[in-house]
Amino acid sequence: SQTIHQWPATLVQPVGSPLSLECTVEGTSNPNLYWYRQAAGRGLQLLFYSVGIGQISSEVPQNLSASRPQDRQFILSSKKLLLSDSGFYLCAWRPRGTLNTEAFFGQGTRLTVV
Amino acid sequence: DAKTTQPTSMDCAEGRAANLPCNHSTISGNEYVYWYRQIHSQGPQYIIHGLKNNETNEMASLIITEDRKSSTLILPHATLRDTAVYYCIVRDVNSNYGQNFVFGPGTRLSVLP
Repeated sequence: SQTIHQWPATLVQPVGSPLSLECTVEGTSNPNLYWYRQAAGRGLQLLFYSVGIGQISSEVPQNLSASRPQDRQFILSSKKLLLSDSGFYLCAWRPRGTLNTEAFFGQGTRLTVV
Repeated sequence: DAKTTQPTSMDCAEGRAANLPCNHSTISGNEYVYWYRQIHSQGPQYIIHGLKNNETNEMASLIITEDRKSSTLILPHATLRDTAVYYCIVRDVNSNYGQNFVFGPGTRLSVLP
C-alpha cells in the first residue's frame, strides 16, 4: 500500500533562518507531488507541484522554493523565513497517468516563525 | 480560485444525517466533484467523488443534481468524530498535472451530542 511521510510535525523557527521540510512517498512510482499551505482558519493554497524529478511548477510568488531530487521525494525550502511563512504545510501525492483519482495528503507540518 | 461555494458552518445532532450542500454552477463536462474533510491539525482525508451519477461508499453518499450545478454530501449517521471542515472541490478530469485540487474555505460541520 502507498504511504506518505512528512516531517517534522511541528517546527518553530526564527525570522531569517532557513527552512527545509521533507516529504516522501512509498509504494508507488512517478507520482504527482504537491505542497500546500494552510493559514489559520483558511482553506488550502497550492504552492508547488511536480510531475517528475527536477520538474517544479510554482503556483504563487513567494519566499519559498521546492525541489524534487528523487522520484518520491519532495522538499520545501526557504533561505530566509518571514513571519508570514507561518502556517500548516501539507504534502500530497496523486498517481500519474490516471485522470480521476483522488489526492492523498500527509499529516502536515505546523511551522511557526517567531 | 475555488469553483465552489459552501455554507461557512453547519450543526448536526449526533446520530442524525448530515447534509452538506455545495454549489458549482460553472462546472464543465469534464469536471468531477470531490469531497474531502479535514479534522483539526490533520491532513485532508478523501471522502468520495463523482461525475454525474450519485455515489455511495462506506463513509458517505454523494448526490449530484441532474444539471450538475450543485451537489450534496450525506453522512447518514453523524458521530462526534465527523466534526471537521468539509471541502467540496471540482476538478478537471483532463488536468493530469498539478493545480487540480483547489480548496476553498469549506464548511465547518459541528456534530453536537
